[in-house]
Amino acid sequence: KAGVTQTPRYLIKTRGQQVTLSCSPISGHRSVSWYQQTPGQGLQFLFEYFSETQRNKGNFPGRFSGRQFSNSRSEMNVSTLELGDSALYLCASSLEVLRATGELFFGEGSRLTVL
Amino acid sequence: GDSVTQMEGPVTLSEEAFLTINCTYTATGYPSLFWYVQYPGEGLQLLLKATKADDKGSNKGFEATYRKETTSFHLEKGSVQVSDSAVYFCALVRNNDMRFGAGTRLTVKP
Repeated sequence: KAGVTQTPRYLIKTRGQQVTLSCSPISGHRSVSWYQQTPGQGLQFLFEYFSETQRNKGNFPGRFSGRQFSNSRSEMNVSTLELGDSALYLCASSLEVLRATGELFFGEGSRLTVL
Repeated sequence: GDSVTQMEGPVTLSEEAFLTINCTYTATGYPSLFWYVQYPGEGLQLLLKATKADDKGSNKGFEATYRKETTSFHLEKGSVQVSDSAVYFCALVRNNDMRFGAGTRLTVKP
């Protein structure tokens, strides 16, 4: 069965622009979580969606937002990009809500570079 | 709040060497513990898990035992291979909140 698919894999933006990243979870998975990975901060939780509802949110500014569609696909959006937003953005899906089992299935990530 | 602390890397070993990556946690209550692995250019994959004290998780020759008395979940492998070169993340889940350690980069040389 297909894994978690993230698009685009790589993108370059300039400061002040906005970006939308997409994540298609494993078929049947209803929970989608987003993480930001940087060399300095490691893996930081952004938010989680289950059944189109945001269930949990990390400590990121309001410029970071997301949504989930009825088919469980999710998008995250970052507005007014800053240099510090350069990172690998990872999406993870799971069967259960709120990562109850801790068994997350990650995509390969979208690498964002902000110039 | 809950947190996970891993030994700092990078760790460089020769093939067939013994591997230990230390992981300790801080949490109230009884978290579930995990090791995830990230190979170059890929997302994270679940390597093993343990859900209660004294449980041993194992997979692909890797093992980790949930030690409540020392709040630890150290990852071990008896004989590493070049293909084990990756970044390893320790993580915990409690009350539907998941926390990852900073990751430990392992390089295995032939």
